[in-house]
Amino acid sequence: QSALTQPASVSGSPGQSITISCTGTYNDIGAYDYVSWYQLHPGKAPKLIIFEVSHRPSGVSYRFSGSKSANTATLTISGLEAEDEGEYYCNSYAGSNSPYVFGTGTTVTVL
Amino acid sequence: QVRLQESGPGLVKPSQTLSLTCSVSGHLINSGSVHWSWIRQPAGKGLEWVGRIYSGGTASYNPSLKSRVTVSMSTSKNQFSLTLNSVTAADTAMYYCAKNPDSWEAFDVWGPGTMVLVSS
Repeated sequence: QSALTQPASVSGSPGQSITISCTGTYNDIGAYDYVSWYQLHPGKAPKLIIFEVSHRPSGVSYRFSGSKSANTATLTISGLEAEDEGEYYCNSYAGSNSPYVFGTGTTVTVL
Repeated sequence: QVRLQESGPGLVKPSQTLSLTCSVSGHLINSGSVHWSWIRQPAGKGLEWVGRIYSGGTASYNPSLKSRVTVSMSTSKNQFSLTLNSVTAADTAMYYCAKNPDSWEAFDVWGPGTMVLVSS
């Protein structure tokens, strides 16, 4: 089972919007509406920011939004802020035999 | 509020067994439709799902690790554990435990992680 494909890095200026793509196959992203996104900061526990493609957990900023089309999911961060710098990983459910596959990860830099 | 905390040795010799424990507070691990997962991240690399155990006790594993990994639970201690046999340097990683609601198929609460180095 191969990792989902994400761009290695994305950058933007404060206030701008950026998007991070996550490309899988018809066996994972294309088959299930169970795409989630995680934010990682060094020394801190990873944080769930999107689940079920587009749902935000309680407490997560409205500036984070998710969508999906065919085998590709997208995370959009609007109104970019300095605190948004970090690593972002997508994840998809892929069936009961091998439930989860993560993306390759994207480093977000706020210029 | 649910909290998870990993614990275990930070150094394991090659060919030996890696054993980690995740202590859970704020939620009984044998209640609800919840899985409890282990996820790892080698230095400079991406996240990899290792395995999980359901609140009812059924476990499932990453096929690439299935022959070497076991996830188990202790309801009396409200903990779940990871055992990885025959470790090599490739198993050196930050290991995280995470809560995994069945209906979301996502990891909504994570521990801070524990670093494991495989070295002689």
